[in-house]
Amino acid sequence: EVVLTQSPGTLSLSPGERATLSCRASQSFGSNYLAWYQCKQGQAPRLLIYGASSRATGIPDRFSGSGSGTHFTLTISRLEPEDFAVYYCQQYGGSPLATFGGGTKVEIK
Amino acid sequence: EVQLVESGGNLVNPGGSLRLSCAASGFTFSSYSMNWFRQTPGKGLEWVSHIVPSSDNIVYADSVKGRFTISRDNSKNSLNLQMNSLRVEDTGLYLCARQEGHGAFDLWGQGTMVTVSS
Repeated sequence: EVVLTQSPGTLSLSPGERATLSCRASQSFGSNYLAWYQCKQGQAPRLLIYGASSRATGIPDRFSGSGSGTHFTLTISRLEPEDFAVYYCQQYGGSPLATFGGGTKVEIK
Repeated sequence: EVQLVESGGNLVNPGGSLRLSCAASGFTFSSYSMNWFRQTPGKGLEWVSHIVPSSDNIVYADSVKGRFTISRDNSKNSLNLQMNSLRVEDTGLYLCARQEGHGAFDLWGQGTMVTVSS
């Protein structure tokens, strides 16, 4: 099973700043199968990035994903007020079918 | 509106049963694989089960195999999860999600809460 480790646990930033979130895998897997999600309390999770770097439908271009092998990154170029949330990376397509990192909370400084 | 809405969560005793449902609307439900996930205090976000459009291929996480049964009714745009022999560690928010062509999960419900406690 691929174990995903996200860092930092919490990121304290101001609107307009750049956010860089890390996701490290315990072993290499097809980078086509790495996704990032945004989660807010009481709301459905939102797919941001799939295939490590492809933006999902309707996702603003301030969100970008990169990486391969065992290290992946989600970058939010300029934080908007609505971007403060918890972000999860996810590996899919293996066994088990999907596993998640522990999440990074992006909070207002 | 394209959405998924879960229902059926409740408080249940250990060893008890619950049936969760997920109502889909706004898209061609019968064209998509569907999944159940859960969010628990102990393990965070966890994938639970997967079913393809025809129901011919079904997969479960080891933690629920033999106790949970996923099913779907394409005529009613409905996804279900029958949960038997519930354990305290099954407590959590249960979410259904649609799986898009690349394999990621592009549409989620808000979840329904299951609490297993005596």
